[in-house]
Amino acid sequence: DIQLTQSPSSLSASVGDRVRITCRASQGITNSLNWYQQKPGKAPTLLIHAASTFQIGVPSRFSGSGSGTQFTLTIDSLEPEDFATYYCQQSYSTPITFGQGTKLEI
Amino acid sequence: QVHLVESGGGLVKPGGSLRLSCEASGFRFSDYYMSWIRQGPGKGLEWLSYVSVDSTYTNYADSVKGRFTIFRDNARNSLYLHVNGLRAEDTAVYYCARHQNVNSVFFDHWGQGTPVTVSS
Repeated sequence: DIQLTQSPSSLSASVGDRVRITCRASQGITNSLNWYQQKPGKAPTLLIHAASTFQIGVPSRFSGSGSGTQFTLTIDSLEPEDFATYYCQQSYSTPITFGQGTKLEI
Repeated sequence: QVHLVESGGGLVKPGGSLRLSCEASGFRFSDYYMSWIRQGPGKGLEWLSYVSVDSTYTNYADSVKGRFTIFRDNARNSLYLHVNGLRAEDTAVYYCARHQNVNSVFFDHWGQGTPVTVSS
């Protein structure tokens, strides 16, 4: 199984900050990496797929990069609604796996 | 507008069974692969199973293989998960999710989840 390790596990930031969340895969997964945002009590929502492709409706302050084993989700100029938990997910092979999550707190 | 609504969760004793349902609307259900994903209390996301558009292909996580069965009824726009031999560690919110397209294994729409609690 492909393991995904996110860092950091939690992160404190302020409105207006730029933050980066990293996801490392245990083996190469080309660009088969997706990012989700989850707010408390809600289902996850898809932000980015194929490492860097925006989902329709996602604000442009979110961006994704990387390939192979190292991927990054960047949020430029944090807004209050961005404080949530973020998960990466690999779609390279089954079983489909998720990272453990990064909780972004004020 | 895409809508997925899960139901069928609840409190069940260890070793018990449930059938979870996911009713889809707002899109052509028969054109999309579907998955079940769960999230234990305070934990991360765990993919469980997917089913192809015509049920030809299914795939399971090792943690549920042999205990859980995914199936769909395209005529009823519904996805199901039969869960058997439940254990305390199966306690979670269970989500159904739509694969964005037939070639993708990522999830563009999720339901609100149905909670399952396994306890004596």
